[in-house]
Order: sequence, then C-alpha cells, then structure tokens
Amino acid sequence: EIVLTQSPGSLSLSAGERATLSCRASQSISSNYLAWYQQKPGQAPRLLIYDASRRATGIPDRFSGSGSGTDFTLTISRLEPEDFAVYYCHQYDNSFSTFGPGTKVDI
Amino acid sequence: EVQLVQSGAEVKKPGESLKISCKASEYTFTTYWIAWVRQMPGKGLEWMAMIFPGNSETRYSPSFQGQVTISADKSISTAFLQWSSLKASDTAMYYCARPSHGYFSDAFDIWGQGTMVSVSS
Repeated sequence: EIVLTQSPGSLSLSAGERATLSCRASQSISSNYLAWYQQKPGQAPRLLIYDASRRATGIPDRFSGSGSGTDFTLTISRLEPEDFAVYYCHQYDNSFSTFGPGTKVDI
Repeated sequence: EVQLVQSGAEVKKPGESLKISCKASEYTFTTYWIAWVRQMPGKGLEWMAMIFPGNSETRYSPSFQGQVTISADKSISTAFLQWSSLKASDTAMYYCARPSHGYFSDAFDIWGQGTMVSVSS
C-alpha cells in the first residue's frame, strides 16, 4: 500500500497570498499518477489536478501541480476567498488507490 | 450532462443490511470503472473499492475486503454498495466517483452527491 502524507495539516493564510501544499508518498509513484482535489464543507470533492501537473477542465490557472517520484506539490498562486477548503492528494498508481489525510487552508 | 446520482440518506441499526446506489447518466456506463469512497464524520477520504460494469470485475482495498460488496446493474446504469451486517463504525458519507478517462488507474472527475449512512442503536 502506498501511504500518502500531506503537510502541513493546516495552513492559515489571507486572500491574495500564495499557498504551497505538499504530498509525500511512501514509495515512488510511477507515471506521476497523482491527483489533487478540493473539498468544501457539505460538498463532494472536486478534481483540480491529475497526472501530477495537468489541470482538470475548468480549473483556474492559479492552481498548479508539480513533482514526481515521491514528492508532489500543489500551489495556489493567489488565494481567492473561495479557495479556503480542504485539499487531498490521491495516488492511483498502485493496485488500489489511496488518499492523503488532507490539508486545511483557512483564514 | 454527465452525472452520478446517489440514493438518499439512510438510518439503520447495528446488524441490519443495506444497499445504496449510484445511478450514472449521459455516458456509456459499461466502459468506465466506478469507485466508492468513504468519508467518516470530520475525517478524510478513503478509497474502498472499484467495479468495471462492463464485466463486473471488482477490486477492493484490503481495509474493506470482506466488509462490503460492490456490484453493478448494466441494464439500469447503476452501481451498488452493500453491507450484510452494519456496525456503528460504518457511519459515514459514501461517495461514488468516476475516473476521468475510464481507466482503473485514473483520477476521479465526476462525483456523486454522497449518501450519508448513520448506524445507531
């Protein structure tokens, strides 16, 4: 099983600031099969980034993903008020998927 | 519009059985895997299992193998998640989700609205 660790667990920032979220895997993820989701209270998760760096349809370009192997990063270049949420990474490389524990971005 | 519509909230007692559903629309149901994801109250997302409705192939997380059963009915484009004997620890929101390109190893771009299952005596 590939275990994902996200850091920090929570992040307090202001609108307009840059957010950098980390996701580390317990073993290398081949083909960069790593996604990022945003989840707001009472809502289903929303896909932001797939294959480590590809933005999903309709996702603003202030969201970007990078990384390879075991270390991946989600960057939000300038936080908008609607970006305050919980962010999860997800690996889909292995025989079964796993999610990270999440990073909460709040004010 | 491609969507997954899940069945409504359930309140059950420990030991009871339950089957919840996820109905797909506006895409070819038999050519995309469907996943089930658990979210316990105030906690993160957990990948439970996936099914390929085209041939009913299934894969389970070791944590959920033997605890739940997933199935699909091609004739009504619906996937199911079922329990034979619920426990209080099964209390959670359950989401179905569709991989964006249909593959098993793929990110999930379409999610159901979630089904809340509450188990209490």
